[in-house]
Amino acid sequence: AQTVTQSQPEMSVQEAETVTLSCTYDTSESDYYLFWYKQPPSRQMILVIRQEAYKQQNATENRFSVNFQKAAKSFSLKISDSQLGDAAMYFCAYRRETSGSRLTFGEGTQLTVNP
Amino acid sequence: NAGVTQTPKFRILKIGQSMTLQCTQDMNHNYMYWYRQDPGMGLKLIYYSVGAGITDKGEVPNGYNVSRSTTEDFPLRLELAAPSQTSVYFCASRPGTYSNQPQHFGDGTRLSIL
Repeated sequence: AQTVTQSQPEMSVQEAETVTLSCTYDTSESDYYLFWYKQPPSRQMILVIRQEAYKQQNATENRFSVNFQKAAKSFSLKISDSQLGDAAMYFCAYRRETSGSRLTFGEGTQLTVNP
Repeated sequence: NAGVTQTPKFRILKIGQSMTLQCTQDMNHNYMYWYRQDPGMGLKLIYYSVGAGITDKGEVPNGYNVSRSTTEDFPLRLELAAPSQTSVYFCASRPGTYSNQPQHFGDGTRLSIL
């Protein structure tokens, strides 16, 4: 079974600085997707960024980028120029392309942004 | 665009009561999912469906039932509610396999069993 591990229950960063959230996963499949979701106090699940496993190039979305290391099964999220609105719970998720393409989530990292 | 709509947003149940959480999507997505999120935890899959008339169990299906009679609707039924089912429930949908589209989530239903 696939598992997703986020080893940092809590992280904090100063406004305008950079922070990296860690995620590792376990799978025997070669075709899959990885995602980072943001969950603010409103509880909404907001997609931050996604990475296709077959792509070697790391995904980037504005201030958000990933470091995808397929052999190491590592998928970290870097947030640059952190803003107060980035404060939220962040979930790493894995999606396989069989069995309904369902998501497996990590336990989350609570990010605090200090002014 | 409505997207994925869940009702109700909040509900308090007594132990042993039953209820149905409603989920509907207007994007003509084939795949639909139900997740639960316990406090401070990640989401866990309860049930999913790859099309009308087809459902399958996820990680934590005990105590729940689902049906999928139409593409749009995917209700989740709780029978004999127990305190362990106190959680936030999320419904999600996506087009289907061989699409690179991510899952679209509803806003969640907060359920308390007392």
